[in-house]
Amino acid sequence: GESVGLHLPTLSVQEGDNSIINCAYSNSASDYFIWYKQESGKGPQFIIDIRSNMDKRQGQRVTVLLNKTVKHLSLQIAATQPGDSAVYFCAEAMEYGNKLVFGAGTILRVKS
Amino acid sequence: ETGVTQSPTHLIKTRGQQVTLRCSSQSGHNTVSWYQQALGQGPQFIFQYYREEENGRGNFPPRFSGLQFPNYSSELNVNALELDDSALYLCASRSQMNTEAFFGQGTRLTVV
Repeated sequence: GESVGLHLPTLSVQEGDNSIINCAYSNSASDYFIWYKQESGKGPQFIIDIRSNMDKRQGQRVTVLLNKTVKHLSLQIAATQPGDSAVYFCAEAMEYGNKLVFGAGTILRVKS
Repeated sequence: ETGVTQSPTHLIKTRGQQVTLRCSSQSGHNTVSWYQQALGQGPQFIFQYYREEENGRGNFPPRFSGLQFPNYSSELNVNALELDDSALYLCASRSQMNTEAFFGQGTRLTVV
C-alpha cells in the first residue's frame, strides 16, 4: 500500500525490544497530548493520551511521558511486535479531541 | 473499525474543478472535524462542525468550505482545485463530552 510518511524519520527495532518515539510540541498552553498510530491506507488510530497536569500515563504495552519544561513527549512501546510497524504521530490540543495539532511523525519498523 | 466512514476512497480531479467529500460520523457523535494530510506530513486541521455550524477553522482559504447535516454527517467542499490540494482528507468525529476523536480511513484526492 501507499506509504503515509515517505520522508519521515525512521526508527528500526528488533521484535521483542522496547521502542521509544519522541516528539517536540509547540504550544505551552496545550492541555491534552495524544499519540496516534497510522498504518498505510488508514486513518490515525488513537493509542494513548495524557493531560498536561500529568507526567506519565501507562496503557497496555505503552507508556506516554510528558516533560512540560522542555515541551517534549515520548511514547514507549514494550515488547515491540511486527503489528506495531506504522507511522506514529503526536498531537496536542487545547481541548480534548478538539482542533488537534499534529507533529511530523515517525516511522516505526519492526524487524523479525 | 472506528465507525467513521468516508466516501469516496479515491478521487482524481483536474485543476480548477470543484470536489465534494463526504463523511458519516460514528453513532452518537455530534462533532465532526476535517483534516488535510499531505504525503509525508501529519494531518492539518481544516475546520470543525458542531450542531451544523462551523465552530473552529485552521489556516485554510475560503475555497475550503463545509456542511454538517441534522444526522451529523458532513461534507467538505473545495473549489478551484489546485495541484497542492492533492492529499489525504481525513474526517474525525467525537461527542461533545470530551471524548477522543475517531478518524475515518480518508479520501485520497489527486489533482492533475
